[in-house]
Amino acid sequence: EVQLVESGGGLAQPGGSLRLSCAASGLTFTKHAMSWVRQAPGKGLEWVSAISDHGGSTYYADSVRGRFTISRDDSKNTLYLQMNSLRVEDTAVYYCARDSPICTFWGQGTLVTVSS
Amino acid sequence: EIVMTQSPATLSVSPGERATLFCRASQSVSSGLAWYQQKPGQAPRLLIYGASTRATGIPARFSGSGSGTEFTLTISSLQSEDFAVYYCQQYNQWPPGTFGGGTKVEIK
Repeated sequence: EVQLVESGGGLAQPGGSLRLSCAASGLTFTKHAMSWVRQAPGKGLEWVSAISDHGGSTYYADSVRGRFTISRDDSKNTLYLQMNSLRVEDTAVYYCARDSPICTFWGQGTLVTVSS
Repeated sequence: EIVMTQSPATLSVSPGERATLFCRASQSVSSGLAWYQQKPGQAPRLLIYGASTRATGIPARFSGSGSGTEFTLTISSLQSEDFAVYYCQQYNQWPPGTFGGGTKVEIK
């Protein structure tokens, strides 16, 4: 059974940092590109970032480029999203998803709240 | 960036009835279109990709059609578990993979 479990969310101040993790199991992690998608409270979905299988290529939404960094550790079957210079508008549930650009399977998400 | 527009915003349907949801792209996305279902408090689930191909395990009552700029998701006979929010996403011009604003299917 495929499982994607996000962690690392919480409260951060504007200008602060958080690192999200997504632990994958039940799949051959190295064969899959991975994605991050977020959803602000009561709002729709927004694609954030993606990384190719083996991590050779990374992609970002304009809204986060230069502030967020996606990475993966294939030895740990884990996807990361380092979020720096956080803004109030980054407040959202962050989902990791298997594959890109089509998100074929999603984790349950982790809530990031940016507030002073 | 391609803008995806979904209509209607809310669709009220009785169980057993047919539901038709629309998604329009601001420019052609060919068949690079996916549909997702999201129930309250849950993660999204992939329903359709390539505009018309059902994802693994998706019931046959879900069907997608269209190409270019106009797309449709049809649920042939709504079941209680189908009441949810549905999103389309284009991936023909990626990144970014832009999503529509969603259509909420509610019980009439």
